[in-house]
Formats: sequence, C-alpha cells, structure tokens
Amino acid sequence: QQQVRQSPQSLTVWEGETAILNCSYEDSTFDYFPWYWQFPRESPALLIAIRPVSNKKEDGRFTIFFNKREKKLSLHITDSQPGDSATYFCAASAGTGGYKVVFGSGTRLLVSP
Amino acid sequence: EAAVTQSPRNKVAVTGGKVTLSCNQTNNHNNMYWYRQDTGHGLRLIHYSYGAGSTEKGDIPDGYKASRPSQENFSLILELATPSQTSVYFCASGDQGNTEVFFGKGTRLTVV
Repeated sequence: QQQVRQSPQSLTVWEGETAILNCSYEDSTFDYFPWYWQFPRESPALLIAIRPVSNKKEDGRFTIFFNKREKKLSLHITDSQPGDSATYFCAASAGTGGYKVVFGSGTRLLVSP
Repeated sequence: EAAVTQSPRNKVAVTGGKVTLSCNQTNNHNNMYWYRQDTGHGLRLIHYSYGAGSTEKGDIPDGYKASRPSQENFSLILELATPSQTSVYFCASGDQGNTEVFFGKGTRLTVV
C-alpha cells in the first residue's frame, strides 16, 4: 500500500502562475514532511520541509500548507518560472532515532514560458 | 558537503546473474537507504539501515538483500537478477533526525 499519495501526476502551468501540488498520508506517526525536487538526469534534492507543529512553512516562492486533521499537505509555487520545471516528491518520516523515509510517486511540473 | 557515492553508475546484467550495487557515504550518517525509481512509481524503498551491522526491509524488499558492513558502506545485492529489476537505483544517507536525506547520483541497471 502507498503510505504517501501525490496528485496530480503531472501539471502544466504558465510562467507567473501559481502551481499547487497535493500530498496526503496515512500514518499518524509521521512527524516530518520534506519535499524534494528532481531535475532530469539528476538526483532528488531537498527543497523545503515542515513539521506538524506548524501549518505553514514558507521559503521564497515555495510554501507548504499543512492540515494535520485531514492528513493533507500541499506545496504552492507562486510566480512559477520555467526553471521550476521538475518532478516534485512529497516524503514523510517519523522518529528521531532513525526511521525509514517514504516518498510519494511524484508530480511532474512543467512551467511554460 | 554531504557526499554519497554509488558504483557502478551503469550496469548491464544477465538474467539469473548476481549483481552488487555499492554505496559509500562520507557524511557519518547513521541511516542509509536504497530506493529504486521507475516511471509512475516514484522512489520506492527497498532496504534501509540504522547503522553498521543493521539492515531493515523497506516496502519492496523481495528479490533484494542488503549489507551494511560499516558506517560508510551499504550494498544492495540481487542474487538472481530478473528483467523486472531493470531500474534506476538510488542510495541515500540521512542523519539521526532524518532532517535531510542526501542522494547519490544513481545506478542505472539493465537486466537482459
């Protein structure tokens, strides 16, 4: 079963628009939610992350909105740029003593100029 | 800078053969991970480790074994490779709080 689900599978927006990427999870013990992005022929890299003590985390044009009750979160990319075109992965992990990190299936974002 | 090195970067193996993918990290991280990436499935966890001598099953461990002989090294072993194991494999390491996972550059494995 998939512990972390993402939607949509792919998304196309125009330059300057806001892209919204969705994520949901099932395990209530998850306490850390990072988003990774991956450019073609490269490895995934950390973009931004949130812990459930907050319902919002902002870093420049990237914002995570978190709803603990519904076990949902979303990544908003404002003023999207062609350079933001990548695959975005929502991930989740739990515990401070070492724990598996699980990833969603990803959203492929294309920003058209 | 965090460094995770995978070898080989590309591998062609024959069905039924044994394949070993190697990973070395210089981050002194306790946690290490093996993922495979396939179109439409994202990153799926195969095995992971909390430290030297430990290995744990991830979400798709069937057909794979792992070995963590030291803090720095974590290997993925395919005893009897099958074409369904053709994929890109990523090794990663993370610190005790898993605040960030650092990935290697990946190994492209083709089983013919």
